[in-house]
Amino acid sequence: GAVVSQHPSWVICKSGTSVKIECRSLDFQATTMFWYRQFPKQSLMLMATSNEGSKATYEQGVEKDKFLINHASLTLSTLTVTSAHPEDSSFYICSARDHLVPETQYFGPGTRLLVL
Amino acid sequence: AQRVTQPEKLLSVFKGAPVELKCNYSYSGSPELFWYVQYSRQRLQLLLRHISRESIKGFTADLNKGETSFHLKKPFAQEEDSAMYYCALRDLSGNTPLVFGKGTRLSVIA
Repeated sequence: GAVVSQHPSWVICKSGTSVKIECRSLDFQATTMFWYRQFPKQSLMLMATSNEGSKATYEQGVEKDKFLINHASLTLSTLTVTSAHPEDSSFYICSARDHLVPETQYFGPGTRLLVL
Repeated sequence: AQRVTQPEKLLSVFKGAPVELKCNYSYSGSPELFWYVQYSRQRLQLLLRHISRESIKGFTADLNKGETSFHLKKPFAQEEDSAMYYCALRDLSGNTPLVFGKGTRLSVIA
Protein backbone atom coordinates (compact mmCIF):
# COMPACT_ATOMS: atom_id res chain seq x y z
CA GLY A 1 0.00 0.00 0.00
CA ALA A 2 0.91 3.65 -0.25
CA VAL A 3 3.41 4.80 2.35
CA VAL A 4 4.38 8.27 3.45
CA SER A 5 7.54 8.73 5.48
CA GLN A 6 8.74 11.64 7.55
CA HIS A 7 12.23 12.48 8.71
CA PRO A 8 13.21 13.04 11.40
CA SER A 9 10.68 11.34 13.64
CA TRP A 10 11.62 13.67 16.48
CA VAL A 11 13.91 16.63 16.93
CA ILE A 12 15.00 18.80 19.82
CA CYS A 13 16.50 22.17 19.02
CA LYS A 14 17.47 25.42 20.68
CA SER A 15 15.30 28.48 20.41
CA GLY A 16 16.26 30.56 17.38
CA THR A 17 17.46 27.72 15.21
CA SER A 18 15.77 26.41 12.09
CA VAL A 19 14.50 22.88 11.66
CA LYS A 20 13.73 21.08 8.41
CA ILE A 21 11.24 18.23 8.24
CA GLU A 22 11.04 16.01 5.19
CA CYS A 23 7.97 14.23 3.88
CA ARG A 24 8.31 11.58 1.21
CA SER A 25 5.84 9.48 -0.70
CA LEU A 26 7.62 6.15 -1.02
CA ASP A 27 5.77 4.25 -3.71
CA PHE A 28 3.62 6.82 -5.41
CA GLN A 29 3.85 10.30 -6.82
CA ALA A 30 2.21 13.10 -4.93
CA THR A 31 1.38 16.30 -6.75
CA THR A 32 -0.24 17.59 -3.58
CA MET A 33 0.97 17.30 -0.02
CA PHE A 34 -0.54 18.73 3.13
CA TRP A 35 1.09 19.81 6.36
CA TYR A 36 -0.79 19.56 9.63
CA ARG A 37 0.12 20.48 13.17
CA GLN A 38 -1.22 18.73 16.23
CA PHE A 39 -0.88 20.11 19.74
CA PRO A 40 -1.19 17.71 22.67
CA LYS A 41 -4.70 16.34 23.07
CA GLN A 42 -5.95 18.45 20.19
CA SER A 43 -6.92 17.76 16.63
CA LEU A 44 -4.90 18.05 13.48
CA MET A 45 -4.92 21.59 12.18
CA LEU A 46 -4.13 22.14 8.52
CA MET A 47 -1.22 24.50 8.07
CA ALA A 48 -0.71 24.54 4.34
CA THR A 49 -1.21 22.76 1.07
CA SER A 50 1.76 22.34 -1.20
CA ASN A 51 1.62 21.56 -4.88
CA GLU A 52 4.64 20.31 -6.74
CA GLY A 53 6.41 23.09 -8.55
CA SER A 54 4.35 25.93 -7.17
CA LYS A 55 4.02 28.01 -4.03
CA ALA A 56 2.26 26.56 -1.04
CA THR A 57 -1.14 27.79 0.04
CA TYR A 58 -1.21 28.65 3.72
CA GLU A 59 -4.19 28.55 6.01
CA GLN A 60 -5.29 31.69 7.77
CA GLY A 61 -3.10 32.48 10.75
CA VAL A 62 -0.12 30.44 9.58
CA GLU A 63 2.97 32.56 8.93
CA LYS A 64 4.42 31.63 5.57
CA ASP A 65 7.76 33.25 6.39
CA LYS A 66 8.07 31.16 9.51
CA PHE A 67 6.94 27.86 8.05
CA LEU A 68 8.69 27.53 4.72
CA ILE A 69 7.36 24.79 2.48
CA ASN A 70 9.12 23.45 -0.57
CA HIS A 71 7.62 20.81 -2.83
CA ALA A 72 10.39 20.42 -5.34
CA SER A 73 9.59 16.95 -6.61
CA LEU A 74 6.66 14.59 -6.90
CA THR A 75 7.86 12.57 -3.93
CA LEU A 76 9.30 15.13 -1.54
CA SER A 77 7.98 18.09 0.39
CA THR A 78 9.88 19.87 3.13
CA LEU A 79 8.69 22.05 5.98
CA THR A 80 11.26 24.35 7.54
CA VAL A 81 10.44 25.96 10.85
CA THR A 82 12.58 29.08 10.85
CA SER A 83 13.83 30.70 14.04
CA ALA A 84 11.94 28.19 16.11
CA HIS A 85 10.56 29.17 19.50
CA PRO A 86 9.14 27.04 22.32
CA GLU A 87 5.59 27.76 21.19
CA ASP A 88 6.41 26.02 17.89
CA SER A 89 6.86 22.77 19.80
CA SER A 90 4.27 20.44 18.36
CA PHE A 91 3.63 17.30 16.35
CA TYR A 92 3.89 17.97 12.62
CA ILE A 93 2.19 15.54 10.27
CA CYS A 94 2.34 15.48 6.52
CA SER A 95 -0.13 13.90 4.17
CA ALA A 96 0.17 13.11 0.49
CA ARG A 97 -2.31 12.68 -2.29
CA ASP A 98 -1.60 10.03 -4.91
CA HIS A 99 -1.80 11.84 -8.25
CA LEU A 100 -3.22 8.73 -9.91
CA VAL A 101 -5.87 8.32 -7.24
CA PRO A 102 -6.65 11.93 -6.29
CA GLU A 103 -9.34 11.06 -3.78
CA THR A 104 -6.73 9.50 -1.51
CA GLN A 105 -4.85 11.18 1.30
CA TYR A 106 -2.18 9.14 3.06
CA PHE A 107 -0.59 10.25 6.30
CA GLY A 108 2.97 10.18 7.50
CA PRO A 109 3.92 9.07 11.02
CA GLY A 110 4.55 12.61 12.18
CA THR A 111 7.55 14.52 13.52
CA ARG A 112 7.68 15.67 17.10
CA LEU A 113 9.46 18.99 17.51
CA LEU A 114 10.61 20.26 20.88
CA VAL A 115 12.12 23.71 21.02
CA LEU A 116 14.03 24.50 24.18
CA ALA B 1 -16.12 27.34 6.06
CA GLN B 2 -15.92 23.74 7.01
CA ARG B 3 -16.37 22.63 10.59
CA VAL B 4 -16.38 19.22 12.17
CA THR B 5 -17.58 18.74 15.71
CA GLN B 6 -16.96 15.70 17.87
CA PRO B 7 -18.66 16.49 21.17
CA GLU B 8 -17.07 13.72 23.21
CA LYS B 9 -13.38 13.84 24.11
CA LEU B 10 -13.50 10.46 25.78
CA LEU B 11 -15.88 7.56 25.52
CA SER B 12 -15.55 4.50 27.73
CA VAL B 13 -17.56 1.38 27.09
CA PHE B 14 -17.43 -2.21 28.24
CA LYS B 15 -16.36 -4.95 25.89
CA GLY B 16 -19.34 -6.25 23.97
CA ALA B 17 -21.35 -3.08 24.45
CA PRO B 18 -22.51 -0.96 21.52
CA VAL B 19 -20.47 2.07 20.55
CA GLU B 20 -21.50 5.32 18.94
CA LEU B 21 -19.00 8.09 18.30
CA LYS B 22 -20.74 11.29 17.37
CA CYS B 23 -19.76 13.61 14.56
CA ASN B 24 -21.60 16.66 13.30
CA TYR B 25 -20.48 18.90 10.50
CA SER B 26 -21.11 22.26 8.97
CA TYR B 27 -20.36 22.89 5.31
CA SER B 28 -22.12 24.93 2.66
CA GLY B 29 -21.01 22.74 -0.23
CA SER B 30 -21.28 19.05 -0.92
CA PRO B 31 -19.33 17.20 1.74
CA GLU B 32 -17.46 13.96 1.79
CA LEU B 33 -17.13 12.52 5.28
CA PHE B 34 -14.49 10.21 6.70
CA TRP B 35 -13.56 8.48 9.91
CA TYR B 36 -9.88 8.10 10.69
CA VAL B 37 -8.41 6.04 13.51
CA GLN B 38 -5.12 6.35 15.32
CA TYR B 39 -4.03 3.42 17.44
CA SER B 40 -1.45 3.93 20.15
CA ARG B 41 1.94 4.85 18.69
CA GLN B 42 0.72 4.43 15.12
CA ARG B 43 -0.01 6.83 12.33
CA LEU B 44 -3.42 8.07 11.34
CA GLN B 45 -5.21 5.68 9.03
CA LEU B 46 -8.47 5.74 7.15
CA LEU B 47 -11.24 3.70 8.73
CA LEU B 48 -14.09 4.41 6.37
CA ARG B 49 -15.63 7.02 4.11
CA HIS B 50 -19.29 7.67 3.53
CA ILE B 51 -19.06 7.20 -0.21
CA SER B 52 -17.91 3.61 0.15
CA ARG B 53 -20.86 2.64 2.33
CA GLU B 54 -18.82 -0.24 3.69
CA SER B 55 -18.27 -1.77 7.10
CA ILE B 56 -14.70 -1.89 8.31
CA LYS B 57 -13.78 -3.84 11.46
CA GLY B 58 -17.46 -3.94 12.27
CA PHE B 59 -17.81 -0.16 12.17
CA THR B 60 -20.40 1.62 10.06
CA ALA B 61 -21.31 5.25 9.57
CA ASP B 62 -24.21 6.77 7.72
CA LEU B 63 -24.25 10.29 6.42
CA ASN B 64 -27.40 12.07 7.56
CA LYS B 65 -27.61 15.28 5.59
CA GLY B 66 -30.73 16.42 7.40
CA GLU B 67 -29.02 16.26 10.76
CA THR B 68 -25.57 17.02 9.27
CA SER B 69 -24.20 14.03 11.13
CA PHE B 70 -21.89 11.13 10.41
CA HIS B 71 -21.89 9.09 13.58
CA LEU B 72 -19.65 6.02 13.83
CA LYS B 73 -21.25 2.88 15.20
CA LYS B 74 -20.30 -0.62 16.16
CA PRO B 75 -22.72 -3.07 17.76
CA PHE B 76 -20.19 -4.91 19.92
CA ALA B 77 -17.02 -3.15 21.04
CA GLN B 78 -13.74 -5.05 21.26
CA GLU B 79 -10.68 -4.19 23.35
CA GLU B 80 -8.64 -3.69 20.20
CA ASP B 81 -11.01 -0.90 19.19
CA SER B 82 -9.47 1.33 21.85
CA ALA B 83 -7.95 4.22 19.94
CA MET B 84 -8.36 7.83 18.96
CA TYR B 85 -11.06 8.42 16.34
CA TYR B 86 -11.23 11.48 14.15
CA CYS B 87 -14.12 12.54 11.95
CA ALA B 88 -13.02 14.49 8.88
CA LEU B 89 -14.62 16.34 6.02
CA ARG B 90 -13.66 17.66 2.62
CA ASP B 91 -15.45 18.80 -0.49
CA LEU B 92 -16.97 15.99 -2.51
CA SER B 93 -14.84 17.04 -5.47
CA GLY B 94 -11.78 15.90 -3.55
CA ASN B 95 -10.05 19.17 -4.35
CA THR B 96 -9.89 20.44 -0.77
CA PRO B 97 -7.82 19.10 2.11
CA LEU B 98 -9.31 17.17 4.97
CA VAL B 99 -10.58 19.15 7.92
CA PHE B 100 -10.62 17.22 11.18
CA GLY B 101 -12.70 17.21 14.31
CA LYS B 102 -10.96 17.26 17.67
CA GLY B 103 -11.18 13.53 18.05
CA THR B 104 -12.74 11.12 20.51
CA ARG B 105 -10.71 8.69 22.52
CA LEU B 106 -12.49 5.36 22.75
CA SER B 107 -11.58 3.16 25.65
CA VAL B 108 -13.00 -0.34 25.68
CA ILE B 109 -12.92 -1.90 29.11
CA ALA B 110 -12.61 -5.66 29.52
